[in-house]
Amino acid sequence: SQTIHQWPATLVQPVGSPLSLECTVEGTSNPNLYWYRQAAGRGLQLLFYSVGIGQISSEVPQNLSASRPQDRQFILSSKKLLLSDSGFYLCAWSVTSAYEQYFGPGTRLTVT
Amino acid sequence: AQSVTQLGSHVSVSEGALVLLRCNYSSSVPPYLFWYVQYPNQGLQLLLKYTTGATLVKGINGFEAEFKKSETSFHLTKPSAHMSDAAEYFCAVSYIGGSQGNLIFGKGTKLSVKP
Repeated sequence: SQTIHQWPATLVQPVGSPLSLECTVEGTSNPNLYWYRQAAGRGLQLLFYSVGIGQISSEVPQNLSASRPQDRQFILSSKKLLLSDSGFYLCAWSVTSAYEQYFGPGTRLTVT
Repeated sequence: AQSVTQLGSHVSVSEGALVLLRCNYSSSVPPYLFWYVQYPNQGLQLLLKYTTGATLVKGINGFEAEFKKSETSFHLTKPSAHMSDAAEYFCAVSYIGGSQGNLIFGKGTKLSVKP
């Protein structure tokens, strides 16, 4: 069966510090991968998606970036965090773009 | 453009009462429809999905939803609410031929269950 992992589970970082969140999927090959953010009271915002190694599409311009160095690894990064980057970050995978996505447990990021 | 509207950001029911969470979608092509549940500080869990075939779909935890094309709706129901159903519920839509990131989510409905 497929499993999706995210770490860390929680993170408190000062403004201006770098960020690296990691997501890995087990039990499937060549998945579509997604990063979402949930800010308080603002629903789910799609940040990035990837259909293959090195292929990243950005949905929202901001100071975040994503990379996919391996087939089942998806990384969300920032060089300098802003207060507005606080939120709950979710990674997800799907077999194809139209079908259901399966979500990881999330990372709670607080920027202070 | 595709969109999803969830009526009611908060719904409160008594334990044992009917749960009805509303979802309407806008799509110019046949949609795929999904309901997810999210418990506090957890990821989203797929409750049920409609792709093709039978319009009444059953999911986990006793939930079901009916696809009504004429009403462009996909409302989520459960005959008898349980305290453990308290969570946030998201409706989502996608379609074949859309962009690779095209699972479009509603803004969510928080369900409270009173004892």
